[in-house]
Amino acid sequence: DTGVSQDPRHKITKRGQNVTFRCDPISEHNRLYWYRQTLGQGPEFLTYFQNEAQLEKSRLLSDRFSAERPKGSFSTLEIQRTEQGDSAMYLCASSLAVGLEQYFGPGTRLTVT
Amino acid sequence: AQKITQTQPGMFVQEKEAVTLDCTYDTSDPSYGLFWYKQPSSGEMIFLIYQGSYDQQNATEGRYSLNFQKARKSANLVISASQLGDSAMYFCAMSPHNTDKLIFGTGTRLQVFP
Repeated sequence: DTGVSQDPRHKITKRGQNVTFRCDPISEHNRLYWYRQTLGQGPEFLTYFQNEAQLEKSRLLSDRFSAERPKGSFSTLEIQRTEQGDSAMYLCASSLAVGLEQYFGPGTRLTVT
Repeated sequence: AQKITQTQPGMFVQEKEAVTLDCTYDTSDPSYGLFWYKQPSSGEMIFLIYQGSYDQQNATEGRYSLNFQKARKSANLVISASQLGDSAMYFCAMSPHNTDKLIFGTGTRLQVFP
């Protein structure tokens, strides 16, 4: 069991550019989650998928953010026209079923200059 | 509103001693789950322990135990026999009924000294 992986681990971009992150969940997990963590805070929920269906999105997820999970396996999170306030750690997690523990990946640290 | 409160920004403990990290929660749901995660400096969130709101007994997992007091809405984490490798941020989280998202507290930084 290889765990949740995320790519890239670090991304530095200039304000106004688009960025895309990838998450590969644990293979048998049908639920996949995205969280954002800023310095000194706990992770904040962004969105989640059950298989390929996106079932909930936080109000934190502005129109510039889009997430997909096209075949119910890996997921991508895209941020368009990045802003300095988007600088954060983006965490992906997966789980087997609702209410069970979520297993997190190592995160993608985004820095917007 | 559903909320997790961790009032201890930082805690110190000597190696081999026990330490309790506080967590209180606020929810009107009768059914919910409570979780503790460890986040070392590397950044990855590591699942430690889970307690269901209807569980009669406190959860235990090796050196970790969860002191669940439902009437007080508290879910404190107890780490016994602390080790230097326990130094990390610790987050308490709640999963409300029939939702998938986790609501996290602001965390407690634990430092274990020799």
